[in-house]
Amino acid sequence: DIQMTQSPSSLSASVGDRVTITCRASHDINIYLAWYQQKPGKVPKLIYTASTLQSGVPSRFSGSGSGTDFTLTISSLQPEDVATYYCQKYNGAPFTFGQGTRLDIK
Amino acid sequence: EVQLVESGGGLVKPGGSLRLSCAASGFTFTNAWMSWVRQAPGKGLEWVGRIKSRTDGETTDYAAPVNGRFTISRDDSRNTLYLQMNSLNTEDTAVYYCSTGSKAAAGTSGDWGQGTLVTVSS
Repeated sequence: DIQMTQSPSSLSASVGDRVTITCRASHDINIYLAWYQQKPGKVPKLIYTASTLQSGVPSRFSGSGSGTDFTLTISSLQPEDVATYYCQKYNGAPFTFGQGTRLDIK
Repeated sequence: EVQLVESGGGLVKPGGSLRLSCAASGFTFTNAWMSWVRQAPGKGLEWVGRIKSRTDGETTDYAAPVNGRFTISRDDSRNTLYLQMNSLNTEDTAVYYCSTGSKAAAGTSGDWGQGTLVTVSS
């Protein structure tokens, strides 16, 4: 099975910073990568599929990548972005998640 | 508005069984591919399994840790998804979410229930 590895596992940044989270697949998954945001105590929220921003998600979020290397970028970090972010492959079952990246404000 | 409401969680002894239900509304359940995702306390998300719609063969897929122990089924007449869990062990302790998503991004979860907690302990 394809493994999904996120880096870093956690990071702390200041409001207004540009933040980048990386997700790496152990084999080629083409463009089939999704990103989720889970705020503390809340249900996960889908924010990106195949580099397409989901409706209602702020435009400061952007995703890119294909093959094995993907990134989620927040162009200007806001306090409400404090959350754990997960990537997920969806090129076929099993639809494995990465281990998560915990983001907080410095 | 999509609504997914899980039920059936609780405390079960190792080796025991439990059946979770997920009542769906606000969308055409018969056409939907449905998934279960779990999250152990303080841990990350883990995909459990998925069932396709009847018209797509009602095919199921499972994650390796649950394959052969868990079974996903659906009752389209009741708009309800099920997760039958057998031979439970302590590593199955988690909040279990049902979810659905677009067929264009099949396998992803655009809508989630609030989850139901399963605790496996003696």
